[in-house]
Amino acid sequence: AQKITQTQPGMFVQEKEAVTLDCTYDTSDPSYGLFWYKQPSSGEMIFLIYQGSYDQQNATEGRYSLNFQKARKSANLVISASQLGDSAMYFCAMYKPGGGADGLTFGKGTHLIIQP
Amino acid sequence: DVKVTQSSRYLVKRTGEKVFLECVQDMDHENMFWYRQDPGLGLRLIYFSYDVKMKEKGDIPEGYSVSREKKERFSLILESASTNQTSMYLCASSLWDISGANVLTFGAGSRLTVL
Repeated sequence: AQKITQTQPGMFVQEKEAVTLDCTYDTSDPSYGLFWYKQPSSGEMIFLIYQGSYDQQNATEGRYSLNFQKARKSANLVISASQLGDSAMYFCAMYKPGGGADGLTFGKGTHLIIQP
Repeated sequence: DVKVTQSSRYLVKRTGEKVFLECVQDMDHENMFWYRQDPGLGLRLIYFSYDVKMKEKGDIPEGYSVSREKKERFSLILESASTNQTSMYLCASSLWDISGANVLTFGAGSRLTVL
């Protein structure tokens, strides 16, 4: 079975600083995908970024980048120049193709608070 | 804009009541999911459906059932609500093959309180 671990239950960061949210995963499958979602206080889960296991380059989307270290089974989210609106819960998730109901696994989340 | 719509944002029910949580998507997605979210436990999958009338149990199906009579609608049913089912419930949908181009799209959530 696959597993996602987010070791930081909460983080406080000063506005404009860079933030790294940790995510490690465990799977024996060679093919998988890694996602990050943001959940603001409104409750809706917002997709941020995706990394495929065979992708050669780290994924980037605006201020978000994914630091993918395959050998270490690590997929940390980096937010550059943090903003007050980045305060939210962040979830790392892993997908195994063809996995059906077991195919998508979420971590327990990190609560990020950006301080002015 | 594509949407997953959950019919109720907030519900308050009494122990023993039958509760229906409705979810509708307008993206013609094959997959639909119901998750439960609790502090410190993250998202836990209750049920998953990959087609009309098809369903698979997730991690915590006990005390819940689901119905998918139409492709766009996936209902979560609590036959007899209990206080330990007080939680945030999230519905999501996706194309059959989840990948970077076809991620899960979530609804806004339904916060259920059982008294």
